[in-house]
Amino acid sequence: EVQLVESGGGLVQPGRSLRLSCAASGFTFDDYAMHWVRQAPGKGLEWVSGISWNSGSIGYADSVKGRFTISRDNAKNSLYLQMNSLRAEDMALYYCAKASIANAFDIWGQGTMVTVSS
Amino acid sequence: QSALTQPASVSGSPGQSITISCTGTSSDVGSYNLVSWYQQHPGKAPKLMIYEGSKRPSGVSNRFSGSKSGNTASLTISGLQAEDEADYYCCSYAGSSTSWVFGGGTKLTVL
Repeated sequence: EVQLVESGGGLVQPGRSLRLSCAASGFTFDDYAMHWVRQAPGKGLEWVSGISWNSGSIGYADSVKGRFTISRDNAKNSLYLQMNSLRAEDMALYYCAKASIANAFDIWGQGTMVTVSS
Repeated sequence: QSALTQPASVSGSPGQSITISCTGTSSDVGSYNLVSWYQQHPGKAPKLMIYEGSKRPSGVSNRFSGSKSGNTASLTISGLQAEDEADYYCCSYAGSSTSWVFGGGTKLTVL
């Protein structure tokens, strides 16, 4: 079964850091680009960051550029998101998503919640 | 990185057809054939419904169809069913520096 399982979310104070992880299974992880997409409570989807299969191409939304770092470990079938200098507006459910060959997000995890509050 | 523009809500009766628009710019929707559509039920993860503007993944009902004209993409759902009631999001590639942009989402109500 193709599956993505996120972890690492939780309650964090403004200005602090958090590292999210996404464990992939059921497909050849290093064949595909991967992305992080977030959804603030009651709001829409927002693309956060993406990374190519070999980490050679990386992109970030303007809202997180310079604060978040995406990475992957193909040997461990895992995707990561290092989030520094967290702000209240970063509070959201963070989804890990697999990019299909056609560059759509075809597989999604169930998300991990990040709460930023003092 | 401005979000794509979608109507906040649409509604229709069972059996009817509805269309959700997604308006971008010449830098995203208008430049790439990489518009996708996602369905999201409350408390659930999004599900891919349309990719490359008009293609359906395996398992998605042929009641769902997509199209694009200029800077506007559209999702049409025919033969509305109660289970179609959900939020729908469009998404487009926007170039390597900006990467991807989503629409604000449209809430579909089946009356």
